[in-house]
Amino acid sequence: RKEVEQDPGPFNVPEGATVAFNCTYSNSASQSFFWYRQDCRKEPKLLMSVYSSGNEDGRFTAQLNRASQYISLLIRDSKLSDSATYLCVGGNFNKFYFGSGTKLNVKP
Amino acid sequence: DTEVTQTPKHLVMGMTNKKSLKCEQHMGHRAMYWYKQKAKKPPELMFVYSYEKLSINESVPSRFSPECPNSSLLNLHLHALQPEDSALYLCASSNRDRTLNTEAFFGQGTRLTVV
Repeated sequence: RKEVEQDPGPFNVPEGATVAFNCTYSNSASQSFFWYRQDCRKEPKLLMSVYSSGNEDGRFTAQLNRASQYISLLIRDSKLSDSATYLCVGGNFNKFYFGSGTKLNVKP
Repeated sequence: DTEVTQTPKHLVMGMTNKKSLKCEQHMGHRAMYWYKQKAKKPPELMFVYSYEKLSINESVPSRFSPECPNSSLLNLHLHALQPEDSALYLCASSNRDRTLNTEAFFGQGTRLTVV
């Protein structure tokens, strides 16, 4: 069983839409969770950390549900520039595992 | 400065060659990582160094040999690779302190082609 699993998509949405991604993790000892964004042929870039209390950064909201072992990312008012692959990451301070990534296509 | 620098950006090597990938960070991070990413797949963890000591080896073949000369540098020595080792090799670093944010920051990667 994979450490971190997520729906590969693709999610095809119009500009301005709200889209949500979910990700589940198998290791209940995992302490740190993140969402990364990866553009084609580029390195992953940190989008945001995910905290137990939930956190928001502009149009992006991340949530962690430890009881059900999943994390989520909500993107509001999607922009064309949000088109990318979104990778969820779980682990602890010395071992991070990536989900397979969810591809988002935002259409005009 | 949240930069992790990797060199070279691109590398083509023959199966009998010996080459090295280099990674540098100046964020004071004490954990450094090598990941391998094949096309359309997520990064896969290869090695973790913690305080300049190898702490995790994810059953990586011995033709990949990591080295951490100091807290800012991480190398990956390559020898007798196979064509299926062609991939994007990513270096990352993070804080080792549980009380601090532990996000990993990635370099731009070295795109390796083995011929």
